[in-house]
Amino acid sequence: KQEVTQIPAALSVPEGENLVLNCSFTDSAIYNLQWFRQDPGKGLTSLLLIQSSQREQTSGRLNASLDKSSGRSTLYIAASQPGDSATYLCAPGRAGRRALTFGSGTRLQVQP
Amino acid sequence: GAVVSQHPSRVICKSGTSVKIECRSLDFQATTMFWYRQFPKQSLMLMATSNEGSKATYEQGVEKDKFLINHASLTLSTLTVTSAHPEDSSFYICSARDRSGQPLQYFGPGTRLTVT
Repeated sequence: KQEVTQIPAALSVPEGENLVLNCSFTDSAIYNLQWFRQDPGKGLTSLLLIQSSQREQTSGRLNASLDKSSGRSTLYIAASQPGDSATYLCAPGRAGRRALTFGSGTRLQVQP
Repeated sequence: GAVVSQHPSRVICKSGTSVKIECRSLDFQATTMFWYRQFPKQSLMLMATSNEGSKATYEQGVEKDKFLINHASLTLSTLTVTSAHPEDSSFYICSARDRSGQPLQYFGPGTRLTVT
């Protein structure tokens, strides 16, 4: 059974800082890995998708890396803004299993 | 991009009644839809996988007679919470996988269920 851990559980930083959110997973037989953002009481917004054959993906100020063999992924947020405040979830998609397994998330608060 | 809608967005019901939640893929066909549940400050937990035209596959610990899932068409799956109890109060989120086989799941905005 896939288990996903996200560290830190919560993070509060001043505006402008660069951040690293960590995700680890126990089963490296993954098909891909997605990072999502969830605002309070809302659904999920997909941020980045990394295929198992890729090492990283970038979108604007976001960069996600994947080390499949060690079961780790990181989400790097550059020059954080108050609008980045949300919960960030990582979800590896396991080969042969189409549903996603979610980590418990990192709750980010960016102070203006 | 692909859009998934859910209806209703919020629902309050009395204990013992049943509630139906709809999940629709608006601009693509989804042979597979997933239902997740999220309790406050916790992550999403998969409840069941819904396949068009066949019975849903439920995760361990999820009562299939309590959470009825119907996937009658390629764009609609419904989740009915039967004989709801306060402990069923949660945030229910569906996702849909594009029939074209792309490895992406598109998530609905969620339904907040409160059972009084």
